[in-house]
Amino acid sequence: GQQVMQIPQYQHVQEGEDFTTYCNSSTTLSNIQWYKQRPGGHPVFLIQLVKSGEVKKQKRLTFQFGEAKKNSSLHITATQTTDVGTYFCAGSHQAGTALIFGKGTTLSVSS
Amino acid sequence: NAGVMQNPRHLVRRRGQEARLRCSPMKGHSHVYWYRQLPEEGLKFMVYLQKENIIDESGMPKERFSAEFPKEGPSILRIQQVVRGDSAAYFCASSPGARGIGNTIYFGEGSWLTVV
Repeated sequence: GQQVMQIPQYQHVQEGEDFTTYCNSSTTLSNIQWYKQRPGGHPVFLIQLVKSGEVKKQKRLTFQFGEAKKNSSLHITATQTTDVGTYFCAGSHQAGTALIFGKGTTLSVSS
Repeated sequence: NAGVMQNPRHLVRRRGQEARLRCSPMKGHSHVYWYRQLPEEGLKFMVYLQKENIIDESGMPKERFSAEFPKEGPSILRIQQVVRGDSAAYFCASSPGARGIGNTIYFGEGSWLTVV
């Protein structure tokens, strides 16, 4: 079936270092959404990207949607301990169809 | 303005028993989704419902699982004759309109089912 692949599965960084997670699909996505889930918590919506090549920023977080709308990335600049959690991308292959989630990238940050 | 409410938060069932998970969407939301999350895994879509209608159940196991969203009351995910492999976190989400571009879905805090 259609899948959304996400790498890396785990990433450990020192506080202040940057972090990037990548999301890839074999087929074109109509849109991509990013969620953050803290340990023991529930997914919280971060952002949605719709347009080819779109870039959006939220403070230290930068989200990109590839030109071909098959990949996306989330980059965090100067990580903080509050950034700890699992970051999921989720995409729809057709507008109105189910969101397919990647397996997530779990970020740990040591101070 | 309450968010998506799920209960129970934690449920323990013996093999063969039934589990019922309830979800009340956010105020003003008429679309409900159920996802299952296994340890170390992403969220797997199960079912998408509107009031009194199942719109998409392509992610639901063929047997033992059912979902409803009645005209009155919460959405219910029902698992009959539970097995150990059903142990997971079940997340409900809701949106104000039909799923698609521009309609963010908001997740509840989840129901953790443990089958012993």
